[in-house]
Amino acid sequence: GGIITQTPKFLIGQEGQKLTLKCQQNFNHDTMYWYRQDSGKGLRLIYYSITENDLQKGDLSEGYDASREKKSSFSLTVTSAQKNEMAVFLCASSIDWGGDTQYFGPGTRLLVL
Amino acid sequence: GDSVTQTEGQVALSEEDFLTIHCNYSASGYPALFWYVQYPGEGPQFLFRASRDKEKGSSRGFEATYNKETTSFHLQKASVQESDSAVYYCALGDRTGNTRKLIFGLGTTLQVQP
Repeated sequence: GGIITQTPKFLIGQEGQKLTLKCQQNFNHDTMYWYRQDSGKGLRLIYYSITENDLQKGDLSEGYDASREKKSSFSLTVTSAQKNEMAVFLCASSIDWGGDTQYFGPGTRLLVL
Repeated sequence: GDSVTQTEGQVALSEEDFLTIHCNYSASGYPALFWYVQYPGEGPQFLFRASRDKEKGSSRGFEATYNKETTSFHLQKASVQESDSAVYYCALGDRTGNTRKLIFGLGTTLQVQP
């Protein structure tokens, strides 16, 4: 088995601030993902990374940057936080690019004042 | 593009009731289909998957059968417990071109009363 750790668990930011979310996995999985979860809108893919140093844009990449410098870690940056924004950011991993089954972390809850 | 539709936004049951949550998909070929469960304050947990027509996936008393003809993957459980209260997501694996991602339905909130 393995585990995905996301830090921080809660993040409160100010409008216009750059905010970074971190994700670590010890599954030794190649592929990692970042999703955004909004009430009533389900989960939407922001970025994914097939392997170390690879980045692929998802459906919601505008306003975000991502970084995959190590196989075990995947970071997401909100480039300019929007006022009153409230969402949960979920990190996931799958064994490789061909593997469909994704395993999720507990999430980072973002609130922008 | 590919999509997943969950008919029920909320389901309210009593313990020992029979559960059905409907999931229909739109995609070409035979996409992998998944069920995930999410408890409050946690990320979605993989429940099970199916990849072929008529294949049954199951876990923890939940089951669903891949039906290509009706493009469905309905979640069922014979006797729910209060601890099953959670949000359930149906998803399909999108392998269009070079894409590898899951497409999720909007989720169904299950509330089970003791």
